[in-house]
Amino acid sequence: QSALTQPASVSGSPGQSITISCTGTNNDVGGHNYVSWYQHHPGKAPKVLIYAVSNRPSGVSNRFSGSKSGNTASLTISGLQAEDEADYYCSSSTSSSTSVVFGGGTKLTVL
Amino acid sequence: EVQLVESGGGLVQPGRSLRLSCAASGFTFDDYAMHWVRQAPGKGLEWVSGITWNSGTIDYADSVKGRFTISRDNAKNSLYLQMNTLRAEDTALYYCAKEDGYNNYFHYWGQGTLVTVSS
Repeated sequence: QSALTQPASVSGSPGQSITISCTGTNNDVGGHNYVSWYQHHPGKAPKVLIYAVSNRPSGVSNRFSGSKSGNTASLTISGLQAEDEADYYCSSSTSSSTSVVFGGGTKLTVL
Repeated sequence: EVQLVESGGGLVQPGRSLRLSCAASGFTFDDYAMHWVRQAPGKGLEWVSGITWNSGTIDYADSVKGRFTISRDNAKNSLYLQMNTLRAEDTALYYCAKEDGYNNYFHYWGQGTLVTVSS
């Protein structure tokens, strides 16, 4: 149950786009399409942004998009806004029925 | 409106036990798998344990296997986490999370309950 690999930090200016990568193995990210992304502001509950690799729940801005290639998933945030500054986590189901693995998290700084 | 309210956290000495509860409302509890996720101070999210709707399948992170037990009472719309032989590294904010029924993601989260393991 090794954590998925994410960059520790990324940054961008308002209006720019950034991409956060999430690398796993054939047993998690690469093995199926149950990859999701969460936004976490300190002191608040995490919020799902993307599920099943590239799907957005109702109410999530279309500035957030997800994709996957092989064992690496990606979250792209376009048109960066100040309120996007937060921690971002990927997660994936694993070969086990209910177990889940998270990435180490990426801190996004909006310059 | 879906609500998940955790309780039972607190300060506990190493080696002791604690039981967390999660009261669910606003959805048909026994239709969904439920999970516990934690965040240690200054660290990232860590999945702890998950349980299917009928308790038929249960999984644990290696870090808690053999010490923690997840359970649910569908009649009471409640999820539990029995934590035994607690260690300092179990200190964290513990979240209860509802899994989406089809796409294996955490659709709703509680606000968390803080567990501090210290002498």
